[in-house]
Amino acid sequence: QLQLQESGPGLVKPSETLSLTCTVSGGSIHSSSNYYWGWVRQPPGKGLEWIGSISYSGSTYYNPSLKSRVTISVDTSKNQFSLKLSSVTAADTAVYYCARGGGYGGNPKFDYWGQGALVTVSS
Amino acid sequence: QSALTQPPSASGSPGQSVTISCTGTSSDVGAYNYVSWYQQHPGKAPKLMIYEVSKWPSGVPDRFSGSKSGNTASLTVSGLQAEDEADYYCSSYAGSNSVIFGGGTKLTVL
Repeated sequence: QLQLQESGPGLVKPSETLSLTCTVSGGSIHSSSNYYWGWVRQPPGKGLEWIGSISYSGSTYYNPSLKSRVTISVDTSKNQFSLKLSSVTAADTAVYYCARGGGYGGNPKFDYWGQGALVTVSS
Repeated sequence: QSALTQPPSASGSPGQSVTISCTGTSSDVGAYNYVSWYQQHPGKAPKLMIYEVSKWPSGVPDRFSGSKSGNTASLTVSGLQAEDEADYYCSSYAGSNSVIFGGGTKLTVL
């Protein structure tokens, strides 16, 4: 059974960079050429927002509204993919989920999800 | 990119059917048959319920069904059960390898 687990600091100061890692177990990112790996966030009490997705080979696609601040990378040797969001403000406070997506960057079929990591932006 | 439009709330009694709409544009929902629906219980991660408009992932009961007409996709929950009470989100391919979500609908089982 595929499992995803987010990890990283739960508190980030304004203007700094938010960094999260998603560790995949029960399956290999490298062998899953039919899937992309994505990040989705949810501010407290609000809806879901797609941040971006990456393939095992490193092809990335980002939400246009966040593109200037987002970097998603993959480390197949560690079976992990990561999110960096720069210049954060309070508006970036959210639960951040990692998830397995469909066979191309914009496929909205996310079938496995991590439990989510709450990141608070505050001084 | 604007979020897909969903009604904030929907409700039904046990055993009844309820339909949740998801309205987009001719650039997202109307252009592609890549619409997914997610169920989210409080404090939990979203769960995929429908993909590619009307397909079921393994393990999802066929009480949940999806459809699309023009720029509007719909999720119908038949034979409502207490455990169906949750938030529901639609999502769609929006072109240029991007994904867009709806604002969410809170389903209440009366």
